[in-house]
Amino acid sequence: RKEVEQDPGPFNVPEGATVAFNCTYSNSASQSFFWYRQDCRKEPKLLMSVYSSGNEDGRFTAQLNRASQYISLLIRDSKLSDSATYLCVVITRRMDTGRRALTFGSGTRLQVQP
Amino acid sequence: NAGVTQTPKFQVLKTGQSMTLQCAQDMNHEYMSWYRQDPGMGLRLIHYSVGAGITDQGEVPNGYNVSRSTTEDFPLRLLSAAPSQTSVYFCASSRGGPDNYNEQFFGPGTRLTVL
Repeated sequence: RKEVEQDPGPFNVPEGATVAFNCTYSNSASQSFFWYRQDCRKEPKLLMSVYSSGNEDGRFTAQLNRASQYISLLIRDSKLSDSATYLCVVITRRMDTGRRALTFGSGTRLQVQP
Repeated sequence: NAGVTQTPKFQVLKTGQSMTLQCAQDMNHEYMSWYRQDPGMGLRLIHYSVGAGITDQGEVPNGYNVSRSTTEDFPLRLLSAAPSQTSVYFCASSRGGPDNYNEQFFGPGTRLTVL
């Protein structure tokens, strides 16, 4: 089982729709969580951090469910410009080294259609 | 600020050739890292550095070497290219590192094809 799993999609939604993605992680010791956005053939860029109590940034809402070990990203009122791949990132302290490791999911592709 | 820069943008190699992918950042970040991105696999960490003179292996280090002689530069060397190294390579930097990760800033990537 992968440490971090995402539905690859694509999610095809009309403009104005609300869409949500989940990302599951296997290590209950995972500590920090992020969402990155990657446009086609470009580099990933930080979209938002994910806080335990959930957090919102404009049309974007991120939530963490530690009991079920997943994070989610909700996008309201989708825009054409939201079309991209969304990567979840999980930081976990390794038992063997004691250091934190940063693990990327393989991404969920979103296509917003006019 | 140029941020994180990478050269070349594209490269085609023959099996067995060696080359160096260049990465530089002008943000005075201590932590730098190299990832490869393959379809369906996500970004996988190759090597990283927590400061000048200090490097360590990531998840997939075999076939690659790194060095960090300055804070700004973190080149990745392919010793003897193999078709399995065909991938998109991203360099990243951040203020924090393994003990305190902060936002990762990525370069534009190098698309490498090994024939």
